[in-house]
Amino acid sequence: SQTIHQWPATLVQPVGSPLSLECTVEGTSNPNLYWYRQAAGRGLQLLFYSIGIGQISSEVPQNLSASRPQDRQFILSSKKLLLSDSGFYLCAWSVSQLYEQYFGPGTRLTVT
Amino acid sequence: KNQVEQSPQSLIILEGKNCTLQCNYTVSPFSNLRWYKQDTGRGPVSLTIMTFSENTKSNGRYTATLDADTKQSSLHITASQLSDSASYICVVRASGSARQLTFGSGTQLTVLP
Repeated sequence: SQTIHQWPATLVQPVGSPLSLECTVEGTSNPNLYWYRQAAGRGLQLLFYSIGIGQISSEVPQNLSASRPQDRQFILSSKKLLLSDSGFYLCAWSVSQLYEQYFGPGTRLTVT
Repeated sequence: KNQVEQSPQSLIILEGKNCTLQCNYTVSPFSNLRWYKQDTGRGPVSLTIMTFSENTKSNGRYTATLDADTKQSSLHITASQLSDSASYICVVRASGSARQLTFGSGTQLTVLP
């Protein structure tokens, strides 16, 4: 069966520090991968999605970036965090863009 | 602009009672609508999916309805349990690619003993 992992589960970082969140999927090949951010009381916002290694589409201009160095690995990064980057970050995968997305456990990021 | 509005924002009920959550959308062209359950601090998990031709679909104690004409959906929870306490998110897909998903902000349900 397929599983999706995210780490770390929680993270507290000072403003201006770098960020690296990792997501990996097991049990499937060539998944579509997604990064979402969920702010308190708000709906999920799609940040990036990838249909293959090295193929990243950005949905919202921001100081975050994403990379897909391996088929089942998706990384969310920032060179300098802002207070507004605080939130709950969710990684998801799907068989294709038209099929159900399965979400990971999420990472709670607090920028202080 | 595609939008999904959910009501109420929060709801508190007693264990064993029924409740209904609402979702109104303006997504076009419509492809499907999913209800997700999100426990606190966890990722959302799909409960049910509704396509244009479906009016009602059940998953255990969860029953979703869809009125494509009025662009409304509801999620009815029967005989609530403490474990039903969670955020319930309505997600509507427009025909096309992944970025055509529009998420509601969720209804926070609390079930009290």
